[in-house]
Amino acid sequence: DAKTTQPNSMESNEEEPVHLPCNHSTISGTDYIHWYRQLPSQGPEYVIHGLTSNVNNRMASLAIAEDRKSSTLILHRATLRDAAVYYCIHQPGSNYKLTFGKGTLLTVNP
Amino acid sequence: SAVISQKPSRDICQRGTSLTIQCQVDSQVTMMFWYRQQPGQSLTLIATANQGSEATYESGFVIDKFPISRPNLTFSTLTVSNMSPEDSSIYLCSVRRIQETQYFGPGTRLLVL
Repeated sequence: DAKTTQPNSMESNEEEPVHLPCNHSTISGTDYIHWYRQLPSQGPEYVIHGLTSNVNNRMASLAIAEDRKSSTLILHRATLRDAAVYYCIHQPGSNYKLTFGKGTLLTVNP
Repeated sequence: SAVISQKPSRDICQRGTSLTIQCQVDSQVTMMFWYRQQPGQSLTLIATANQGSEATYESGFVIDKFPISRPNLTFSTLTVSNMSPEDSSIYLCSVRRIQETQYFGPGTRLLVL
């Protein structure tokens, strides 16, 4: 199974940037890197995904290492509503299954 | 995007009984999945619901315990059969179209006594 490693928890202050790291050393050349987040009592929510190049959208940025063995999700200005569990997932290019790891619990302090 | 609703949103059931969870999407989707999230844990994929054919189950999950139907491109059901307290979890429906992101429903919170 596709496997990622993330810190169990991280803490940030409101309105500061947050960098959430993820290691995916077994990633294959066609595997996508996805980030989802799960707010309390909700289903997971898509954040961003990428293959090789860095990606930006209205929610976050995704920085992918040149060797693709790690990536970083960047929240440019954390808000209290960003407190959630963030999951880094690498999805095999051969199928559409998402295999969730334990994720990182992000706490945002006011 | 896709708007997903699940029924029931929560339930309390007695051991030995069965519960059927419904997943309805507001528009046609290519793929539908069922996940389980045990208390304090991450999500685990149960199966892929295939339209008009048997679902594809992941290792550790069997059709007798989790029968799944998918009669069309917007609807699926998951039944949790012969329930025990270990089945107490959140069950989530998820959908995807080709070349699009995956969306998750709000989940069904099941407590088995």
